[in-house]
Amino acid sequence: GDSVTQMEGPVTLSEEAFLTINCTYTATGYPSLFWYVQYPGEGLQLLLKATKADDKGSNKGFEATYRKETTSFHLEKGSVQVSDSAVYFCALRGYTGNQFYFGTGTSLTVIP
Amino acid sequence: DARVTQTPRHKVTEMGQEVTMRCQPILGHNTVFWYRQTMMQGLELLAYFRNRAPLDDSGMPKDRFSAEMPDATLATLKIQPSEPRDSAVYFCASGSGQGMADTQYFGPGTRLTVL
Repeated sequence: GDSVTQMEGPVTLSEEAFLTINCTYTATGYPSLFWYVQYPGEGLQLLLKATKADDKGSNKGFEATYRKETTSFHLEKGSVQVSDSAVYFCALRGYTGNQFYFGTGTSLTVIP
Repeated sequence: DARVTQTPRHKVTEMGQEVTMRCQPILGHNTVFWYRQTMMQGLELLAYFRNRAPLDDSGMPKDRFSAEMPDATLATLKIQPSEPRDSAVYFCASGSGQGMADTQYFGPGTRLTVL
């Protein structure tokens, strides 16, 4: 069945460091891919999304490219800030639109 | 700024008691999701509604959990009887039903503790 695998955390970075959080997926057909972020005590918020191969989603300095050849959707940011400290979830919506899968989440802590 | 609201935000109850969680989706959204989040299992989809009709509730323990949408502005998740293993944060999310690109907007969650 469809699934999402993301790198385990926690991840600790210094401010202004480069961030990569890996996400790979298994799916039938052409899923849509998402990154959500969860700040402490809050619900998940959409960070970015991509709905077809080679699409690049971007928001708030974060980017991810839908790579069908490597079945990946890695999250990147060139220079992280303390305010980026949160848990990041990779997610997949199956091609029928009725299947939803979230990764286990990667906790990021950015220290000054 | 439209948001999904959930009540209560926190609930502490004793094993065997009935628990009802409520969700108000964003006005105009026609899809509603219920998720459960625990440290061990992560985020699990419990139920999914479109236009108030349940499309998928395969992730929900049927013997004790039930999910309904009495009207377009209210979704409920009920546990009866509750058990300690139900302790988790329960999230409701809504979407505008745009198919594959549909974004889910999450509420703040209900933190449930069953003693």
